[in-house]
Amino acid sequence: KQEVTQIPAALSVPEGENLVLNCSFTDSAIYNLQWFRQDPGKGLTSLLLIQSSQREQTSGRLNASLDKSSGRSTLYIAASQPGDSATYLCAVYPNFGNEKLTFGTGTRLTIIP
Amino acid sequence: GAGVSQSPSNKVTEKGKDVELRCDPISGHTALYWYRQSLGQGLEFLIYFQGNSAPDKSGLPSDRFSAERTGGSVSTLTIQRTQQEDSAVYLCASSLRGLGVDGYTFGSGTRLTVV
Repeated sequence: KQEVTQIPAALSVPEGENLVLNCSFTDSAIYNLQWFRQDPGKGLTSLLLIQSSQREQTSGRLNASLDKSSGRSTLYIAASQPGDSATYLCAVYPNFGNEKLTFGTGTRLTIIP
Repeated sequence: GAGVSQSPSNKVTEKGKDVELRCDPISGHTALYWYRQSLGQGLEFLIYFQGNSAPDKSGLPSDRFSAERTGGSVSTLTIQRTQQEDSAVYLCASSLRGLGVDGYTFGSGTRLTVV
């Protein structure tokens, strides 16, 4: 059974710092991986989708990498801002045609102004 | 529509009552999903639709839960005889083609409280 873990569970950093969020999965035979953010009381907002053939994706100040062989993905946030405060979730697609995403445990990020 | 729309945003119901939760996916998205997020828990898969059919209902926790999708668009999740353990945020998502190719877009969720 696929298990997805995110470390740390919570992180507080001063505004302006660069930071890295980690996502580990136990079964490396995944298809794709997607990063989301969730604001309190809200749904999930998609950040980046990394296809199985890709190693990284970038969007603005965000960069996500994927290393399937080691079962890891990282989300890099550059020049953090208070508006980045949210819970960040990674989710893995087990294989093509399997629609059940397995979500990570989440990292609650707080950016201190 | 521009995004995935869910209604109501909040629902408080008495134990034993039936509730219906609605999801309006992005226009043209063939795949639709329901997930549940309980307090302090992760996201739990409930059901997946491709068009109007539901190839995977394996996540529905009991026979009190059912879902349908009509016209390849709007979906309704029905919970009969609600119990307190059904209290959670119910999230709907849609995807252009599904199959893990295009990624998910989530709605804002329906927060269900059973009292």
